[in-house]
Amino acid sequence: GAGVSQTPSNKVTEKGKYVELRCDPISGHTALYWYRQSLGQGPEFLIYFQGTGAADDSGLPNDRFFAVRPEGSVSTLKIQRTERGDSAVYLCASSLLVTTYNEQFFGPGTRLTVL
Amino acid sequence: DQQVKQNSPSLSVQEGRISILNCDYTNSMFDYFLWYKKYPAEGPTFLISISSIKDKNEDGRFTVFLNKSAKHLSLHIVPSQPGDSAVYFCAASHMEYGNKLVFGAGTILRVKS
Repeated sequence: GAGVSQTPSNKVTEKGKYVELRCDPISGHTALYWYRQSLGQGPEFLIYFQGTGAADDSGLPNDRFFAVRPEGSVSTLKIQRTERGDSAVYLCASSLLVTTYNEQFFGPGTRLTVL
Repeated sequence: DQQVKQNSPSLSVQEGRISILNCDYTNSMFDYFLWYKKYPAEGPTFLISISSIKDKNEDGRFTVFLNKSAKHLSLHIVPSQPGDSAVYFCAASHMEYGNKLVFGAGTILRVKS
């Protein structure tokens, strides 16, 4: 079956612009996670959704970052007034449930470059 | 504050030999540990996991060992194959934290043929 997909695969933008990154999780997965991976580091947690609601957004670096999952499936990560420090690979993952231990399945990521 | 640490940035091993990747953690609340493998331009792929109630979990060529008292886990790959060459990430989670994963910085494994 289809895995987690993310679009676009690459995004180049200018400082100060607005960007949206999309994630399509595996069908039927209720939990969806966003991570950010900077060069030479492991992925860092940003936010996760249980269904439509953001259950934990403690990893979002500041209020320029926002994510939604309006119908409990597709999610969009939105970044306002982008800064060069936002350049990273943004990874999305989904899992079947949050209430038991389930492996998270990752998408290929969106590489964001802010010039 | 790095809660999960992989102190070896890289490891080089001869094909057929054992690869041992190490990981240390500081948060005693973590109760589930995972290893992910990542190839360039791809997302991390789940490899193997272990619950804190166990000290060993084996899946084919891959075995993960957990030493809770030392807050240390390791991944053994035997025998190593060239296709195992990738970046390996150790991750930890706790159900009360929604199973969000805390990752180490990764170890680049090169298996030479």
